[in-house]
Amino acid sequence: DVKVTQSSRYLVKRTGEKVFLECVQDMDHENMFWYRQDPGLGLRLIYFSYDVKMKEKGDIPEGYSVSREKKERFSLILESASTNQTSMYLCASNIYDTEAFFGQGTRLTVV
Amino acid sequence: AQKVTQAQTEISVVEKEDVTLDCVYETRDTTYYLFWYKQPPSGELVFLIRRNSFDEQNEISGRYSWNFQKSTSSFNFTITASQVVDSAVYFCALSEQYTGNQFYFGTGTSLTVIP
Repeated sequence: DVKVTQSSRYLVKRTGEKVFLECVQDMDHENMFWYRQDPGLGLRLIYFSYDVKMKEKGDIPEGYSVSREKKERFSLILESASTNQTSMYLCASNIYDTEAFFGQGTRLTVV
Repeated sequence: AQKVTQAQTEISVVEKEDVTLDCVYETRDTTYYLFWYKQPPSGELVFLIRRNSFDEQNEISGRYSWNFQKSTSSFNFTITASQVVDSAVYFCALSEQYTGNQFYFGTGTSLTVIP
């Protein structure tokens, strides 16, 4: 079974902190994604990566950056956390045009 | 513009009733893929089905069935004889070949099955 693991289930951070959300997949997938989920808005794509060191902006990249130094790991970075970044963050991976497999999600609260 | 529209925000049904979740999509690509995911209260998205744009055959898997109609750009999901365990948020998603296979999700339909 494909496993996508996010480093934390719940996080509480202070405004202005630099926050790292880590995601690891174990199936050698080329593509990895970071989504943000908010009530009534569904899942919105922040960034995705189709190869090591490659990244593409999604629909809402402002305030975020990403890093993919190794194929299996995709990190989402909040450079200076703000309260409007309080949300559920979901990582996913896939190959080519197949279904995406999701991690369990990280619920981030910025206070 | 929203590429995937799930007009039903919340649905409640009584156990054993049938329920259909609607999904309408928008794309100019001729090669694309449609998906349904289930998100139970635990939060993790569970893959249910993938359909490519060249295969309009309806599919049935147990109590679940999917109706794909290119003429109306719809990919609807029916649960027959609903059960309490079906209570979840269901997302429809689109992946287009020309946009690098990134996924576009609808806003989800929250289904509550009342015992």
